[in-house]
Amino acid sequence: DAGVTQSPTHLIKTRGQQVTLRCSPISGHKSVSWYQQVLGQGPQFIFQYYEKEERGRGNFPDRFSARQFPNYSSELNVNALLLGDSALYLCASSSGLYSNQPQHFGDGTRLSIL
Amino acid sequence: AQSVTQPDIHITVSEGASLELRCNYSYGATPYLFWYVQSPGQGLQLLLKYFSGDTLVQGIKGFEAEFKRSQSSFNLRKPSVHWSDAAEYFCAVDRYESGTYKYIFGTGTRLKVLA
Repeated sequence: DAGVTQSPTHLIKTRGQQVTLRCSPISGHKSVSWYQQVLGQGPQFIFQYYEKEERGRGNFPDRFSARQFPNYSSELNVNALLLGDSALYLCASSSGLYSNQPQHFGDGTRLSIL
Repeated sequence: AQSVTQPDIHITVSEGASLELRCNYSYGATPYLFWYVQSPGQGLQLLLKYFSGDTLVQGIKGFEAEFKRSQSSFNLRKPSVHWSDAAEYFCAVDRYESGTYKYIFGTGTRLKVLA
């Protein structure tokens, strides 16, 4: 079975631009979460979506938004990019909302802001 | 505030030697705990998890971890390290907040293995 897939793998943008990152969860998984991992740090929680509804939001500005589609895939959008948005963006899926259902991570999208 | 601390930023061991990576958490209730491994340029792979019950949990790739409530610790161990274990290791706690579960990660420990 395919794992969590993310696209694109790498992306280079300039300050002020907008970016959309995509994620396809493991088949049968209805929950998708997004994390930002800055170099040298652990991942930081951005959003969780379940059944197309936002169920959780981390401490990120409104420039960050996301959505989940009927097939449970998800997009993360970031507007007005700043240099500090350079990071690895990880998508994780799980079968449900509860903590006894571990999250499975994709390989991430490496976003570089020039 | 709930947090996860990994005191060792870097650890170097020789191939075949034993390994212990430390993780301490600050959490009010009995947490759900996880160890993930991240190879360069890749995402995170789940090594093992602790929910309840036996405090010694076995994971993939020969790793194990022990939950010690009295010390608020969840240390990862491996009896004999292989060169392929060189990677970054993250401890995480599952935190429930505002109707959702989210992972709080430590800052990671980078493992280097000497031939």
